[in-house]
Amino acid sequence: KAGVTQTPRYLIKTRGQQVTLSCSPISGHRSVSWYQQTPGQGLQFLFEYFSETQRNKGNFPGRFSGRQFSNSRSEMNVSTLELGDSALYLCASSLGSNTGELFFGEGSRLTVL
Amino acid sequence: QKEVEQNSGPLSVPEGAIASLNCTYSDRGSQSFFWYRQYSGKSPELIMSIYSNGDKEDGRFTAQLNKASQYVSLLIRDSQPSDSATYLCAVTHGSSNTGKLIFGQGTTLQVKP
Repeated sequence: KAGVTQTPRYLIKTRGQQVTLSCSPISGHRSVSWYQQTPGQGLQFLFEYFSETQRNKGNFPGRFSGRQFSNSRSEMNVSTLELGDSALYLCASSLGSNTGELFFGEGSRLTVL
Repeated sequence: QKEVEQNSGPLSVPEGAIASLNCTYSDRGSQSFFWYRQYSGKSPELIMSIYSNGDKEDGRFTAQLNKASQYVSLLIRDSQPSDSATYLCAVTHGSSNTGKLIFGQGTTLQVKP
């Protein structure tokens, strides 16, 4: 069974640009969550989607957005990039709608110059 | 006060010893608790979940939960060098049981041969 797949794995952008990250959950998993990981702040929740609906949102500015498609694949977008957005962005999927048992992808490492 | 607190370590134990990792949380409404392991350069992986007071054992791992004291711990028996990693404590946000988890900063465990 394939795991959570995230693309791209690495990317470099400059301030002011935007970026879109993609996540394909484990087959059969309908819930997708996104997290940002930095050395200083650790793992921080961005948002969660279930059946194409955003169920939860973390304390990030509106520049961070996401969506989920009918096949459960998800994308997140960051507009007007800032240096502080440099981080590892992790996508996680879970089987049901009521679980914190997450399966993480390898992440997309974003560097903003 | 951070919502989920862990000693950052490093916690150093000799091979074969018991490693004890601790975590406290601030939200009394939290209902579900998790331990994730993260190897350097890798994404987190779930190793234990616990939902009710008491102990839960899985192989060499035992999770302990005390909701009255808002305390979660992870014991690793017969520690192996391959257990060297960062261990992340995570709790659900409030009483909901979704993919929105609050993570601690993690405790780095070093198992010396």
